Parts: sequence; structure tokens; C-alpha cells
Amino acid sequence: EPEVTQTPSHQVTQMGQEVILRCVPISNHLYFYWYRQILGQKVEFLVSFYNNEISEKSEIFDDQFSVERPDGSNFTLKIRSTKLEDSAMYFCASRSGPGRYSDTQYFGPGTRLTVL
Amino acid sequence: AQSVTQPDIHITVSEGASLELRCNYSYGATPYLFWYVQSPGQGLQLLLKYFSGDTLVQGIKGFEAEFKRSQSSFNLRKPSVHWSDAAEYFCAVGPNTGGFKTIFGAGTRLFVKA
Repeated sequence: EPEVTQTPSHQVTQMGQEVILRCVPISNHLYFYWYRQILGQKVEFLVSFYNNEISEKSEIFDDQFSVERPDGSNFTLKIRSTKLEDSAMYFCASRSGPGRYSDTQYFGPGTRLTVL
Repeated sequence: AQSVTQPDIHITVSEGASLELRCNYSYGATPYLFWYVQSPGQGLQLLLKYFSGDTLVQGIKGFEAEFKRSQSSFNLRKPSVHWSDAAEYFCAVGPNTGGFKTIFGAGTRLFVKA
């Protein structure tokens, strides 16, 4: 069964550094998402991406964050200057299309980001 | 605004006992509803989903959920819990317009005692 993959599984970085989290969505999916989960808290929506542009973003997704689909398979989340509070598990998700029966988002295993 | 409430932060049940996890949602139109399970340090696995039709939906691992529009609820049930069911369970709602983001509840941690 096709699945969403994410790399790396764990990333440790120093405060102020840039990080790029990578995701390979399910091929032929059209909608892509990033969510985060701070330890012990709920999963929060960050951004959705469709047709090579952001379709929706939350208030968490400020100017420090950006997303990109650099080629036909990868979907990346960049944090320009990491803060301690960016430490979280970041989940990528993808969805096949706008039809009502394609509204299931498939989640990747997550990347745990630790900012020191 | 869309929201999901899971009233129970944690629940403890005995192995073999029945389970019901509560979920209430707030959404202006007919929502798409989901239950996900997360084992410690793991990703999110979809247990079941409701889009329309029969209000009782069956999922994987013997779970089922019932959509009750009048109560704005989508409770998850399992008739007999196994020790391997111990995990965090998230109820979620997905709108059927726009960017189709998913909004998660705070989760219910299930403990299973022998």
C-alpha cells in the first residue's frame, strides 16, 4: 500500500539554524499538508498546499516557515531560524483530490525536531 | 469556528472490557469525521472515517464509531479491548470545502490494565 514517507525521522538543531524537513507524498496525490504536535499536545494544522501554492495556513505558520514542492515528488517544510518552541513532531500528509471520497488525509510517520 | 472536543484526557479499562471514547465537534455544515490512533513515538494511523450514509461506521482493529448529528458526537467504541490497544486516540473533523485541513481534538490516552 502506498504511504507517505518523511526524512529524517529525528533532527536535532541549534536555535537560530535553518532546517528543512522532507516529505514524499503518495504519488498522484494533489493536496499536501504539514501539521505539528508539540510533546503531549494535540496535532495542529500548519499549512495546506495545492497546485503549487499555499491554499490555507494557520497563525502558527508565520514568516519563519515556508513550503515548497521542488520537484514532482518531494514536499518540504523550511524553518528559517529555529526557536526552542519549534521543537515538536512534524507530520506531513497528502490527499488525492477534491472529491468527497478522497477526503482522507494519509499521514507520514513524522519528523521529531529538537531545537537546543 | 470548527472545533473538536474530547472530554476525557485519559481512560483506563480492563483488558476484555468494552470501550467508548467520546468526541464532540462543532462545525457549521456536515463534517467529515475521523478517528486516528497514535502509539508512543509513532505516527497517526486512521482507524475509521465518516463522510455520509450509514451513521455507524466500522474501522480497523475491531473499532466502530457512531455519528449522531443531534448530539454533534462521533464516539468510538470497541466491544473488547486488548492490551495492544493502549495508545492515544484522536478524533478529528475535516471540512468539505477549502483547503480540506483536518482539525484534531486534544486526544484521549487509553490505558489497559490486565
